[in-house]
Amino acid sequence: EIVLTQSPAILSLSPGERATLSCRASQSVSVDLAWFQQKRGQAPRLVVYDASNRANGIPARFSGSGSGTDFTLTIGGLEAEDFGVYYCQQRTSWPRTFGQGTRLEIK
Amino acid sequence: QVHLVESGGGLVKPGGSLRLSCAASGFRFSDYYMSWIRQAPGKGLEWVAYITSSSAYRNYADSVRGRFTISRDNAKNTLYLQMNSLRDEDTAVYFCARDNNHNMDVWGQGTTVTVSS
Repeated sequence: EIVLTQSPAILSLSPGERATLSCRASQSVSVDLAWFQQKRGQAPRLVVYDASNRANGIPARFSGSGSGTDFTLTIGGLEAEDFGVYYCQQRTSWPRTFGQGTRLEIK
Repeated sequence: QVHLVESGGGLVKPGGSLRLSCAASGFRFSDYYMSWIRQAPGKGLEWVAYITSSSAYRNYADSVRGRFTISRDNAKNTLYLQMNSLRDEDTAVYFCARDNNHNMDVWGQGTTVTVSS
């Protein structure tokens, strides 16, 4: 099973700042990695797929990068609606696995 | 508008059974693979099961293999999850998701399953 480790666990930033979230895989997942955003009491929402492609309706301030084992989700110019928990997820092998999440909170 | 709506959750005793449903609308359900994902209270996301569009291939997390069965009825635009031999650790919110080229791009709002005596 591929283990995804996200860092940091909690990220406290102010609106307007830049957020950098990391996801490291225990073995290569090529670019078969997605990022999801989840707000309290809501379903997850796909943000980035195939490591660097923004999902439908996702603002341009969200960008994903990386390949192999190291991935980054960057949010440039945080807005109030961006705060929540972010999960990375790999689809290169079964079982599909998620990282433990990074909580992005307002400072 | 693309929509997934789960139902069937509830309170069940350990060892009991429950069947979840996921009603799809706004897209050609029969063209898409589908997945179930769960989230225990205060915890992260766990993929549970997957089914191809024709039901030819299914896969399960080890934690539910042999106890849960994923199925679908394309004529009814509905996905199912039959859960047997339920355990305390199966307590979670269960989400269904559309699998679009192996990316889970649309999610339902979830249904809550509580396993407790």
